[in-house]
Amino acid sequence: NAGVTQTPKFRVLKTGQSMTLLCAQDMNHEYMYWYRQDPGMGLRLIHYSVGEGTTAKGEVPDGYNVSRLKKQNFLLGLESAAPSQTSVYFCASRTQGGDSYEQYFGPGTRLTVT
Amino acid sequence: RKEVEQDPGPFNVPEGATVAFNCTYSNSASQSFFWYRQDCRKEPKLLMSVYSSGNEDGRFTAQLNRASQYISLLIRDSKLSDSATYLCVVTVLGGGSYIPTFGRGTSLIVHP
Repeated sequence: NAGVTQTPKFRVLKTGQSMTLLCAQDMNHEYMYWYRQDPGMGLRLIHYSVGEGTTAKGEVPDGYNVSRLKKQNFLLGLESAAPSQTSVYFCASRTQGGDSYEQYFGPGTRLTVT
Repeated sequence: RKEVEQDPGPFNVPEGATVAFNCTYSNSASQSFFWYRQDCRKEPKLLMSVYSSGNEDGRFTAQLNRASQYISLLIRDSKLSDSATYLCVVTVLGGGSYIPTFGRGTSLIVHP
């Protein structure tokens, strides 16, 4: 099991460029999440999905779009990158049921927008 | 006011010390509570869930106080390898599912 993987690991964009971050999980999890982490800010939820074909906004959704066309993949898109989107992006997934609600995180994508 | 608050620290303690962190949350309808550990430039990993009755895992003890709306983490006999950032996570029902909210984290540095 690879767990949760993220592509790419690093990226540098110029202001106004677009890109898509890919998150993939092989644990058959229903729930998937995209977070951003900035120094001193902790993790903030951008968007999440409770199942294939469904997405919802989190705490900081502006400037991002997401899609969950397949259960194992959750894509995060930046249509027109801004320097304020420089951050570390983490994807996470978890199973639907159970008592734990444990989230499994990918290794992160470090994005710099110049 | 942020929904989940933690003292960012850093807490600087010698090996063998006992250290405790608190985390307060504002939403009384919060459902589930967790402590995650995050090493520098790495992804967060679950340390332990927090139950109303309190729970212990080796040197780590977590407690929940619903009346005062805080959770705590106690680390006994600190090791150098305990140096990390400890994230408090609270889930709240929103939009039909439980949404996790992270605190900003508390930094722990254990020195020889």
